[in-house]
Amino acid sequence: RKEVEQDPGPFNVPEGATVAFNCTYSNSASQSFFWYRQDCRKEPKLLMSVYSSGNEDGRFTAQLNRASQYISLLIRDSKLSDSATYLCVVWRGYQKVTFGTGTKLQVIP
Amino acid sequence: GAGVSQSPSNKVTEKGKDVELRCDPISGHTALYWYRQRLGQGLEFLIYFQGNSAPDKSGLPSDRFSAERTGESVSTLTIQRTQQEDSAVYLCASSPGLAGQETQYFGPGTRLLVL
Repeated sequence: RKEVEQDPGPFNVPEGATVAFNCTYSNSASQSFFWYRQDCRKEPKLLMSVYSSGNEDGRFTAQLNRASQYISLLIRDSKLSDSATYLCVVWRGYQKVTFGTGTKLQVIP
Repeated sequence: GAGVSQSPSNKVTEKGKDVELRCDPISGHTALYWYRQRLGQGLEFLIYFQGNSAPDKSGLPSDRFSAERTGESVSTLTIQRTQQEDSAVYLCASSPGLAGQETQYFGPGTRLLVL
């Protein structure tokens, strides 16, 4: 089993829709969690950290469920500019950072 | 301030040649990572440097791959006797290396094509 697993998609959603991605992790010792965004042929960039209590940044909401070992990302009111690949990142220490393979989102006009 | 920079941005080489990729991390960042990303694939961890500690080389795919870092500055990734399967984007990331500051900041990558 992979340490971090994501549905590769693609998720094709119309503008204005709400879309959610999940990411599961296998190691219960995982400490910190992040969502990164990667545009086509670009480097990954931090979208948001994921806190135990859940956190929101504008249209984006991240949740952590330690009991079930998954994190989620919810995007409301999708924009064309949200089209990208979303990478789940699990951190167990500086030497134990694992990136998921990403979920591709395509927002359609 | 300046972000992570990498050079060259693109490199085309012939099978069997050696290549050297360079990464300049954000000033003051003690942690530095190299990743490989093949077309349409996820990030594959290669090596991690933290300050003056011995690097974690556990992700290097073969002994043709090596990396160095001088103190907390520039890092170079060297691939000897390149093979076609080495074709990928090589990404470098740096991080402050402090508790609570695990965010990695990526450079634009070096696109390597081995013919």
